[in-house]
Amino acid sequence: RKEVEQDPGPFNVPEGATVAFNCTYSNSASQSFFWYRQDCRKEPKLLMSVYSSGNEDGRFTAQLNRASQYISLLIRDSKLSDSATYLCVVNNYGQNFVFGPGTRLSVLP
Amino acid sequence: EAQVTQNPRYLITVTGKKLTVTCSQNMNHEYMSWYRQDPGLGLRQIYYSMNVEVTDKGDVPEGYKVSRKEKRNFPLILESPSPNQTSLYFCASMHAGSNTGELFFGEGSRLTVL
Repeated sequence: RKEVEQDPGPFNVPEGATVAFNCTYSNSASQSFFWYRQDCRKEPKLLMSVYSSGNEDGRFTAQLNRASQYISLLIRDSKLSDSATYLCVVNNYGQNFVFGPGTRLSVLP
Repeated sequence: EAQVTQNPRYLITVTGKKLTVTCSQNMNHEYMSWYRQDPGLGLRQIYYSMNVEVTDKGDVPEGYKVSRKEKRNFPLILESPSPNQTSLYFCASMHAGSNTGELFFGEGSRLTVL
C-alpha cells in the first residue's frame, strides 16, 4: 500500500463547478500536510498548507481528519486556470516529504 | 530573482556513462533535496541534505550519489546510469526553519538512458 494515496482522476468538470479531492495517508505519525499544484511538464508549487482546524484561501478549502488519516481539498467556482494535477503531500519527520501520485483536474469551458 | 536552477534540462545518454545533474539555489536555504517523478508513482525522494556536508538517503537512493560541499549547490551524480533511471528529476530547496513547508522546485531535468 502506498503511503499517500489519491484518486488519479482525471476529473473533468465545467467552469463554475465545485470539485473535491481526497487523499489518505498511512503513517499515523505524520506531522504536517500540504497541497501542491503541478501544471503539465512544470515543477510543483505549494498551493496551501493543511491545518487541523481546516483552512481556506479564496476558492480553496483544505480539511484534515487525523483520526481517519484523511485530507481533502475543495475548489469552488472552478476556473479554466485551475486545470492541473493536485498533489497531496505529507511530512513525516524532519524534512521527509512524501508525495501522493496526484489527481488530475481538467476544467472545461 | 529567487530560484532553483537545474542543468541540464534535457539529456539523452547511454547505459554506464557517468553523468551529473547540477542544482543551485540563491535563497540561502539550508535544506535541499532530489526527487524523481514517474507516471503513476508521484515524486519520490532520492536524497536530501539538511546543510553543508550533511546528506541522507531518501526513499529511492540506489544508483545515485550526492554531495553538499557548498550551501547553494547540491549535484546529483549517476555513476553508471541504467535505463530504469530514465525519469523526470526535480531538485528542491527550503528554509530549514520554515513553518509553511514550502519547497521551491527547479524546472526539472528530463533524463533518458538508452
